[in-house]
Amino acid sequence: DADVTQTPRNRITKTGKRIMLECSQTKGHDRMYWYRQDPGLGLRLIYYSFDVKDINKGEISDGYSVSRQAQAKFSLSLESAIPNQTALYFCATSDSRSGYQPQHFGDGTRLSIL
Amino acid sequence: KNQVEQSPQSLIILEGKNCTLQCNYTVSPFSNLRWYKQDTGRGPVSLTIMTFSENTKSNGRYTATLDADTKQSSLHITASQLSDSASYICVVSESTGRRALTFGSGTRLQVQP
Repeated sequence: DADVTQTPRNRITKTGKRIMLECSQTKGHDRMYWYRQDPGLGLRLIYYSFDVKDINKGEISDGYSVSRQAQAKFSLSLESAIPNQTALYFCATSDSRSGYQPQHFGDGTRLSIL
Repeated sequence: KNQVEQSPQSLIILEGKNCTLQCNYTVSPFSNLRWYKQDTGRGPVSLTIMTFSENTKSNGRYTATLDADTKQSSLHITASQLSDSASYICVVSESTGRRALTFGSGTRLQVQP
């Protein structure tokens, strides 16, 4: 089983819909991250969480929200999806001993907004 | 603004050949630099991480070098295999605050038989 599991793996939806992407991990890590990847660009940080009660905005948080339901679960929501949010989304984890860098990534959710 | 530039954008080599990927950065103050391999349809997987004091680090057929003075890093792949076909991403971390990361856009490597 994967250490970091993202669901769904693929999603096609329409503009204006609310979407939730889910991430769960079995690494026991306290830190979790959400990134988006666009063609020709580096990964960009959307939100990150250092523990259940510590959630922080990344560089591109507008239009997104997150929820850290438990140490092992971190979900990303698009309240009203728009086409320029079409991208590949990655969840990642790290433990506090490794500093602030993501160590383990999920395999991504490919999101298309029509 | 912190930037990480990778070159080339894409590269095609024959199986068994060596290749070198480049990463130039402007991130300051510098904490560390990490190389990831990302297979198509998968998340990035860490290959090496290098701090200021490290010049070279190897992981099997992968060897990363770092010149902190010129702010350059390279990833050398020896005796390439078809399974090396992937994108290789350079990521640089600041040494202040919450260690913000700057990601390069990656080099797409294709190894042909």
